[in-house]
Amino acid sequence: RKEVEQDPGPFNVPEGATVAFNCTYSNSASQSFFWYRQDCRKEPKLLMSVYSSGNEDGRFTAQLNRASQYISLLIRDSKLSDSATYLCVVETIKAAGNKLTFGGGTRVLVKP
Amino acid sequence: DTGVSQDPRHKITKRGQNVTFRCDPISEHNRLYWYRQTLGQGPEFLTYFQNEAQLEKSRLLSDRFSAERPKGSFSTLEIQRTEQGDSAMYLCASTSSLGQGLFRPYEQYFGPGTRLTVT
Repeated sequence: RKEVEQDPGPFNVPEGATVAFNCTYSNSASQSFFWYRQDCRKEPKLLMSVYSSGNEDGRFTAQLNRASQYISLLIRDSKLSDSATYLCVVETIKAAGNKLTFGGGTRVLVKP
Repeated sequence: DTGVSQDPRHKITKRGQNVTFRCDPISEHNRLYWYRQTLGQGPEFLTYFQNEAQLEKSRLLSDRFSAERPKGSFSTLEIQRTEQGDSAMYLCASTSSLGQGLFRPYEQYFGPGTRLTVT
């Protein structure tokens, strides 16, 4: 079983619609959680951190459920520019350093 | 552009050849990570440096792989006797425990990657 699992999609989303997707993680000792965005053939870039209380950044809302070990991302009023792969990332903090474990990514295609 | 550079951006090599990639992190970032990403997958951790010390290596890093960060600045990743299964994007990321300017502490900033194709 992978440490971080995501639905690979693609999620085909009409422009202006709302889309939401989850990821699950297996390591209960994981301490920090993130969503990264990766455009085709580009490097991953941090989209937002995910906090237990839930957090919002503009049209993006992230939620963390530690009891069920899943993270969610919701995108409201989707734009064409939101088309990308969204990577769920879990961080484990060790004495030697912080280790990021990535999910396989969820592909989102926003269409006019 | 995150400030992390990688060279070359693309490399095509024949099976059995050795290849070396270079990563230049954001200056004064003391931590440097190497990842490998294949098509349709997320990046997988390979190894990690704090300054010049290599502190962790993934089981993915076979004996054919070696990484160095001799002066605690740039890093190299060498693959010996390449195999077709080594074809992937090799990503480098850097971070620091201290924030500097626009760079947030502990956030990993990725370079553009080196795309390796083994024929």
